[in-house]
Amino acid sequence: DQQVKQNSPSLSVQEGRISILNCDYTNSMFDYFLWYKKYPAEGPTFLISISSIKDKNEDGRFTVFLNKSAKHLSLHIVPSQPGDSAVYFCAASATAGGTSYGKLTFGQGTILTVHP
Amino acid sequence: GAGVSQTPSNKVTEKGKYVELRCDPISGHTALYWYRQSLGQGPEFLIYFQGTGAADDSGLPNDRFFAVRPEGSVSTLKIQRTERGDSAVYLCASSLIGADEQFFGPGTRLTVL
Repeated sequence: DQQVKQNSPSLSVQEGRISILNCDYTNSMFDYFLWYKKYPAEGPTFLISISSIKDKNEDGRFTVFLNKSAKHLSLHIVPSQPGDSAVYFCAASATAGGTSYGKLTFGQGTILTVHP
Repeated sequence: GAGVSQTPSNKVTEKGKYVELRCDPISGHTALYWYRQSLGQGPEFLIYFQGTGAADDSGLPNDRFFAVRPEGSVSTLKIQRTERGDSAVYLCASSLIGADEQFFGPGTRLTVL
């Protein structure tokens, strides 16, 4: 039972254009969402997060949008750069009283390739 | 400061053998997590420690898997009677209690022949 799904295994984008990575979830208990970036032979690196009380969070070139009614979130990268080429994972957690429960449920990942 | 470190980086073993994988979390991080990542999949939760105790071990697949964190810092994931299906990258992460960002180590790639 895949509770967090990234339906696009890969995405190819031209440098300077927008990259949009999508993620869907099924568990309505999830109320905190994160995006991680992973290079080969390295562990995932935290990129950006969003709480379910918000619908948008922005950090530089990275913006995460959350649509709770659709149980959908997306990561926008603009402008995309060749160094952004990596595997991107979305992850979700269920918090208790505002404190992270800790356990993250990850999607399968999307391989982003940004061409110069 | 130093990040999360994991040793060994690679481990090749034979079916039926016992293995131990070690994780050194970021100093001061009281929460520690183990995940397993199979090829083409995202990390899958195994176990979560708060301090020395396992707060949630619901992700351990069976009783061949066991993890300890005796002094609340370094953790060891132990796998008995390894099977070929145990082959994966085992990731460790740590965080401050109450913080949502988990910092991951580079992982240990386990291959069971």
